Amino acid sequence: DTGVSQDPRHKITKRGQNVTFRCDPISEHNRLYWYRQTLGQGPEFLTYFQNEAQLEKSRLLSDRFSAERPKGSFSTLEIQRTEQGDSAMYLCASSLLGSYNEQFFGPGTRLTVL
Amino acid sequence: AQTVTQSQPEMSVQEAETVTLSCTYDTSESDYYLFWYKQPPSRQMILVIRQEAYKQQNATENRFSVNFQKAAKSFSLKISDSQLGDAAMYFCAYRRVNTGTASKLTFGTGTRLQVTL
Repeated sequence: DTGVSQDPRHKITKRGQNVTFRCDPISEHNRLYWYRQTLGQGPEFLTYFQNEAQLEKSRLLSDRFSAERPKGSFSTLEIQRTEQGDSAMYLCASSLLGSYNEQFFGPGTRLTVL
Repeated sequence: AQTVTQSQPEMSVQEAETVTLSCTYDTSESDYYLFWYKQPPSRQMILVIRQEAYKQQNATENRFSVNFQKAAKSFSLKISDSQLGDAAMYFCAYRRVNTGTASKLTFGTGTRLQVTL
């Protein structure tokens, strides 16, 4: 078990470009979460999956954002037509459905939009 | 909607001393979980300690303990015998009990803890 991994760790892009991030959860975990963390703030929930089903989306997740989790394994988060306000750390977490449902976090992808 | 407030942006403690980080929250739920997460610089977030709201006994994990005051909606973290490795951002977080789809964490804004020699 190598924990939650995210790729890339850093991404610099120009405004208007599309970007895609990948998250690989802990292998037996059936829940996967995406959070966004801006400088000086705590993480904010974006969306989460149980297996391949996307069960909840935050109002923060505008139409330019889309997330998938095909086959209930890894997940991708795509941002279309990036804006400078999208600059943030994007965190992925996974958990095993159960009474505590402890979420294990990945190292994050830091996005900088120029 | 649930909210979590951490009113101390920064705290400092000397090595081997004790420090308490504050957290308050607002919810209309009667059953929920509260957490403290640690985020070291450039490293991933890890769970420090968890408290179930239905338990009156305060949670303890080695040098870390909480003071959970349900009526006051207060959840502070005490770190005893502080070590240099405790230096990090600490986030207080709330989660509803896992009924239906309720699963997301709601975080506070964090407290940066410095540990000095």
